[in-house]
Amino acid sequence: QKEVEQNSGPLSVPEGAIASLNCTYSDRGSQSFFWYRQYSGKSPELIMFIYSNGDKEDGRFTAQLNKASQYVSLLIRDSQPSDSATYLCAASKGGGFKTIFGAGTRLFVKA
Amino acid sequence: GAVVSQHPSRVICKSGTSVKIECRSLDFQATTMFWYRQFPKQSLMLMATSNEGSKATYEQGVEKDKFLINHASLTLSTLTVTSAHPEDSSFYICSVGRGDNQPQHFGDGTRLSIL
Repeated sequence: QKEVEQNSGPLSVPEGAIASLNCTYSDRGSQSFFWYRQYSGKSPELIMFIYSNGDKEDGRFTAQLNKASQYVSLLIRDSQPSDSATYLCAASKGGGFKTIFGAGTRLFVKA
Repeated sequence: GAVVSQHPSRVICKSGTSVKIECRSLDFQATTMFWYRQFPKQSLMLMATSNEGSKATYEQGVEKDKFLINHASLTLSTLTVTSAHPEDSSFYICSVGRGDNQPQHFGDGTRLSIL
């Protein structure tokens, strides 16, 4: 079992729709969770991070964390073609342990 | 977030050449930096954790004599790919984290092509 799992996609949504990206993690000691966006040929850029159960909103992005279910998600409202990218989920348990990245979900927003 | 500068952005060189990649933390004194490699359409792979003033910690399967890491100051880590071969062609990315449970911030990456 991978430590951080994501559906590889591609996830295809029409412009203006909500894109829902999901991630599960296996280590219950994980404390911090991150979402990165990576455009083709570019390095990852941080979109959101979340530490507590519940929702965290930032503009069109909402991160959701459910520690009991070991589940993290990212919602993108009003999806735009420019949101088309690979989205990486990552988890960290602190204490000097490395951050674990998922393999990423490819999102394609159709104009 | 942390500002990370990585140089060069692109290298094309002949087989057998050694290539040095620099990663600078511009606004944060980083005791730890990370080096990743990413092959086309594949996921990020952590190669090693660079520790200021001490030896790097390499991930399983990564040859430490092949990928030399030096972290001589709190703002600079270097990765040297020694005697590079075509199979070393990849996208190399460094990152900086501000501490436990903090997000990592990535450099722009170095695309290495070995002919």
